[in-house]
Amino acid sequence: EPEVTQTPSHQVTQMGQEVILRCVPISNHLYFYWYRQILGQKVEFLVSFYNNEISEKSEIFDDQFSVERPDGSNFTLKIRSTKLEDSAMYFCASRGQAVQPQHFGDGTRLSIL
Amino acid sequence: KNEVEQSPQNLTAQEGEFITINCSYSVGISALHWLQQHPGGGIVSLFMLSSGKKKHGRLIATINIQEKHSSLHITASHPRDSAVYICAAIKTSYDKVIFGPGTSLSVIP
Repeated sequence: EPEVTQTPSHQVTQMGQEVILRCVPISNHLYFYWYRQILGQKVEFLVSFYNNEISEKSEIFDDQFSVERPDGSNFTLKIRSTKLEDSAMYFCASRGQAVQPQHFGDGTRLSIL
Repeated sequence: KNEVEQSPQNLTAQEGEFITINCSYSVGISALHWLQQHPGGGIVSLFMLSSGKKKHGRLIATINIQEKHSSLHITASHPRDSAVYICAAIKTSYDKVIFGPGTSLSVIP
């Protein structure tokens, strides 16, 4: 069964550095998402992306964050000037047309030192 | 007040018991997602529903749009069902998703 893949599985970065989290959605999916989960807390929506543009974003998704679909397969989340509070698990998800379930990647654990 | 609430927060059951997890939401939705998060952190989609009832194996999900309430039932529970179950409300057709806090289920042999 096709799946969403995320790399790396764990990223350790110094505070203030930029980090790029990568996702390869399922190939025929059209809608893409990023979520984050701070340790011990609930999953939070960051952004949804469709037709090469952001369709919805949360209050968390400020100017520090950006998303890109640089080619036909990758979907990336860039975090500029990382802060300690950016440490979290980041999940990518994708779905196909209509009312279909989202498929989640296994997540990237981001640790900011 | 959270836009998506779940109860109970924690649940311990004996193997074989029938389990119900409840979700209530205060926002208008296009659909509701039930998700399972394993101890290792991975998230699996169980159901996405906008009306009525869906069944998959031992899992049943129902939703009442008028009452803004959904339930997830597990019949003949098993220790491998131990996980966090998350209800997520999809607010708009572009899928702005509001997650509930999760229900941590532990099934004891």
